[in-house]
Amino acid sequence: RKEVEQDPGPFNVPEGATVAFNCTYSNSASQSFFWYRQDCRKEPKLLMSVYSSGNEDGRFTAQLNRASQYISLLIRDSKLSDSATYLCVVNPSGGSYIPTFGRGTSLIVHP
Amino acid sequence: EAQVTQNPRYLITVTGKKLTVTCSQNMNHEYMSWYRQDPGLGLRQIYYSMNVEVTDKGDVPEGYKVSRKEKRNFPLILESPSPNQTSLYFCASSLSRPEAFFGQGTRLTVV
Repeated sequence: RKEVEQDPGPFNVPEGATVAFNCTYSNSASQSFFWYRQDCRKEPKLLMSVYSSGNEDGRFTAQLNRASQYISLLIRDSKLSDSATYLCVVNPSGGSYIPTFGRGTSLIVHP
Repeated sequence: EAQVTQNPRYLITVTGKKLTVTCSQNMNHEYMSWYRQDPGLGLRQIYYSMNVEVTDKGDVPEGYKVSRKEKRNFPLILESPSPNQTSLYFCASSLSRPEAFFGQGTRLTVV
């Protein structure tokens, strides 16, 4: 089983739609979690951290479910500019500094 | 402007010819790392550095070397490149995890 799994998509949604992605992780001792956004052929950019209590940043909401070992990203009122690949990142516990990136979920927002 | 600068952006080279990809950050970050990104495999960490003269292996260090003689620079060295090292490479830096800033990437082709 892969350490961090994401549905590659693509998710095709119209402007204004709400879309959600999940990401599952296998290491129950994982310590911290993040979502990154990557545009085609560009560098990944940190979108938001994921906190245990859930957190929101504008139209974006991130949730963590430790019991089921998944994190989610919800995008409300999708914009054309949200089209990108969304990467889930899980950092292990302890002294390791090797984060595990998911392969990404592709989102296409169309007019 | 805060940034991570990689050079070159594109490189085509031949098997066995030593090359260096440079990475420089202007944010006085302690933590720097190198990743490669391949289709279907996502981002994988090659090496990371917690500070000057402190480096450690990531997930896929074979065939690569790094050095951290100064805080701002973290070059990636391929002593004898092989075709399986053809990939998109990213350097990243942060004050602490996660990697908040990625370079623009270096697309390397080894023929």
